[in-house]
Order: sequence, then structure tokens, then C-alpha cells
Amino acid sequence: GIQVEQSPPDLILQEGANSTLRCNFSDSVNNLQWFHQNPWGQLINLFYIPSGTKQNGRLSATTVATERYSLLYISSSQTTDSGVYFCAVAYGGATNKLIFGTGTLLAVQP
Amino acid sequence: EAQVTQNPRYLITVTGKKLTVTCSQNMNHEYMSWYRQDPGLGLRQIYYSMNVEVTDKGDVPEGYKVSRKEKRNFPLILESPSPNQTSLYFCASRDGPANQPQHFGDGTRLSIL
Repeated sequence: GIQVEQSPPDLILQEGANSTLRCNFSDSVNNLQWFHQNPWGQLINLFYIPSGTKQNGRLSATTVATERYSLLYISSSQTTDSGVYFCAVAYGGATNKLIFGTGTLLAVQP
Repeated sequence: EAQVTQNPRYLITVTGKKLTVTCSQNMNHEYMSWYRQDPGLGLRQIYYSMNVEVTDKGDVPEGYKVSRKEKRNFPLILESPSPNQTSLYFCASRDGPANQPQHFGDGTRLSIL
């Protein structure tokens, strides 16, 4: 099956710093989403981005489908950005379950 | 507001006592699914449904049942819960086409003692 790898696994930032999270996947996909899991466990939908670039405030994401990777940029990080960031992909037939990466644990320190 | 609503959010119960976690979406989505999240194992799909009365197993269906009698509701049933079903559960829904984004509920923390 498809493999989804995220890097780095852990990241500690000072408030105000910028960061780039990476997601590599091993096969062609027709859906890629980025999620933020907050300390309360909620999965917050950040981007639906099977290809191209999108921006939402301090966050932006780019997916290069032909090279099988996606990047999530966080600028001017805030303590509320702390949590785990997941990318998830879906591929193949109609069932299209999401395959989640192992996540990047981000801690933003004041 | 587009929402996937799960209830309860938290539940502590005992082995063998049947329980149901409800999931409802207000987006008229055809596709719904259940995931469980466990440390070191990530999120794994339990069951999914392509439409009313159409359900199928995901990767970890053992010990669970589902039903889809109405388009908006997709309950997860644990007939005889066991401690290895202690987990964080998520319901998700998606519009018909397979390349549409999935929308997740806020999660349900189940502890089976």
C-alpha cells in the first residue's frame, strides 16, 4: 500500500519563528489534506491540496504531485500552533480512505 | 454551518456493556467513515459507508458494527466493548466524488475498563 512519511517528527520553535513541514508519499494520489490536531484531540482541517499552492493567513501549503510531496509552511508561529500536524492522502478507487502520515509534533514556546 | 457531530465526546465504561457512538453530518454527504487513533499506530479506518444501506469494512473492523439507515447518521456500535477498544474515535464525511476532502468530527475518547 501507499506509504506516507512526514518530517521532521518533532519540532520546537520560539514564538515568531517560521517552519516548513514535509510530507512524502509513495504513489499517485487524488486527495491530500493537512490537519492540525490540537491538544484537545480535535482534528482541524487546514488544507485540501491535491496539487498546487494555497494560503490561509499565516499558513500555506504546496503540493507537487508529480514529485510526490507536499509542504506546509507556518510563518510567525504562535503558541496556539502547537500540536500535531498530519498529512493524509487518498488514492485509487471509490472507497478512498485517508492514509495518514505519522505526524509532526510541533511545540511553540513563548 | 457545515458540521460532523459526534456524541458522546468522552465516555468511561466497563467491559461488556454495549455502547453506541453517534455521528451526524448536515452536509448531505454520501460517504461516511469511522477511524480510531492509537499511539504509535496513527489513524486507522474501522468502517465506511458509500450511501444509505451500503457499508463495508475498513482496516480494523473487529469488535465493531455500523449501520446507515439515514444519509445523515452513521452510528458506531460496540456490542461487547473490551479494553483494547480504548481509543480516540473520529467520524468523517465526504461529498460523493472520491477526490473531495473529508470533514472530521471533534472525536470521542472511549475508555473501556
